[in-house]
Amino acid sequence: AQSVTQPDIHITVSEGASLELRCNYSYGATPYLFWYVQSPGQGLQLLLKYFSGDTLVQGIKGFEAEFKRSQSSFNLRKPSVHWSDAAEYFCAVGADNNNDMRFGAGTRLTVKP
Amino acid sequence: ETGVTQTPRHLVMGMTNKKSLKCEQHLGHNAMYWYKQSAKKPLELMFVYSLEERVENNSVPSRFSPECPNSSHLFLHLHTLQPEDSALYLCASSVIQGAGEQYFGPGTRLTVT
Repeated sequence: AQSVTQPDIHITVSEGASLELRCNYSYGATPYLFWYVQSPGQGLQLLLKYFSGDTLVQGIKGFEAEFKRSQSSFNLRKPSVHWSDAAEYFCAVGADNNNDMRFGAGTRLTVKP
Repeated sequence: ETGVTQTPRHLVMGMTNKKSLKCEQHLGHNAMYWYKQSAKKPLELMFVYSLEERVENNSVPSRFSPECPNSSHLFLHLHTLQPEDSALYLCASSVIQGAGEQYFGPGTRLTVT
């Protein structure tokens, strides 16, 4: 079965600085990859997804992610962070042979003024 | 209403109570999911329904009983819960069961006293 790891539990960046959140997955074939964001007291909102094709995917709110098969990674990036980006971010991996989307433990982002 | 809605948003119940969580999706999707989100733990998939039939039950205790009367509604019936069942319960839906993206509701914050 597939699995996903988010190595960073908590990241703090200054407003206006660039951001990269790491995600590594384990799966024998091409996975389906997702990034979700969760604000306090809310559900998960889909930021972007990768199924196939161009390995650099654009999402909502100015986020992008790059699929790197050689590194089994799908890191999330944003060139300039806004205070409203403070939230919990989850990477998830799915597979086409089962129903189970696996989520990472999440990375909490704090944005300093 | 749009997207996925959940009621109630907050619930406090004693260990001997019986209560139900409700989820409704307005997206025309055919698959629905229950997840449990506890502090400092990855998201746990509890139940999967496809076209109103349960297709997955991840070893969830019998004190949690799901019901899917139609493709738009999903319930989670609760009885004789334990304090460790306190968590955020999230409902999600997808077009079909499988690896596609899931859309989440805001969750029900459950506290068992």
